[in-house]
Amino acid sequence: DAGITQSPRHKVTETGTPVTLRCHQTENHRYMYWYRQDPGHGLRLIHYSYGVKDTDKGEVSDGYSVSRSKTEDFLLTLESATSSQTSVYFCAISPQPGDTGELFFGEGSRLTVL
Amino acid sequence: SQQGEEDPQALSIQEGENATMNCSYKTSINNLQWYRQNSGRGLVHLILIRSNEREKHSGRLRVTLDTSKKSSSLLITASRAADTASYFCAHDFGNEKLTFGTGTRLTIIP
Repeated sequence: DAGITQSPRHKVTETGTPVTLRCHQTENHRYMYWYRQDPGHGLRLIHYSYGVKDTDKGEVSDGYSVSRSKTEDFLLTLESATSSQTSVYFCAISPQPGDTGELFFGEGSRLTVL
Repeated sequence: SQQGEEDPQALSIQEGENATMNCSYKTSINNLQWYRQNSGRGLVHLILIRSNEREKHSGRLRVTLDTSKKSSSLLITASRAADTASYFCAHDFGNEKLTFGTGTRLTIIP
């Protein structure tokens, strides 16, 4: 299994509070991604990173920010959580995109915003 | 949204039968990938087919790609109980990220 650890795995929080999810990898892969998974929507990309301090927005980036200060860590922050951000969040990594761009996924972080 | 569609949304078959699920997309792709997700787990890569390929095999999996129809299919032959999972297609549009479909939930009945 690819060395990807997501923390926390489960979190319950209240509307308006900040939340940070962490993705840690031991594979030294360049690309890291945050997706959210919701029933009926599959997986939707929030943000991704193509190197240290290099990030870009995905399809559903509003309300989320990310940071990558080290190759191994990619943080997803909800500045002020809302109930619509209740979801399962997946981190994924890849050595490079394109024809060899297989993604390796973490086990997910289930977030409930009350 | 560039998110593709998959059908059926859910499929139940008897063990030993073949399972076919389909995926459509909207714009040109570099490659298309299929992933499996067991309940409560992360996604696992199954197979990748490039835009210049029409068919690819891996064990009991067969993937086809029709770029003129912007569609792909995943066939699982001789299904087993362990194949029960959700299956997702993902499109590489050549922009450093994958766009996933909505998934097919497959149940294999022993």
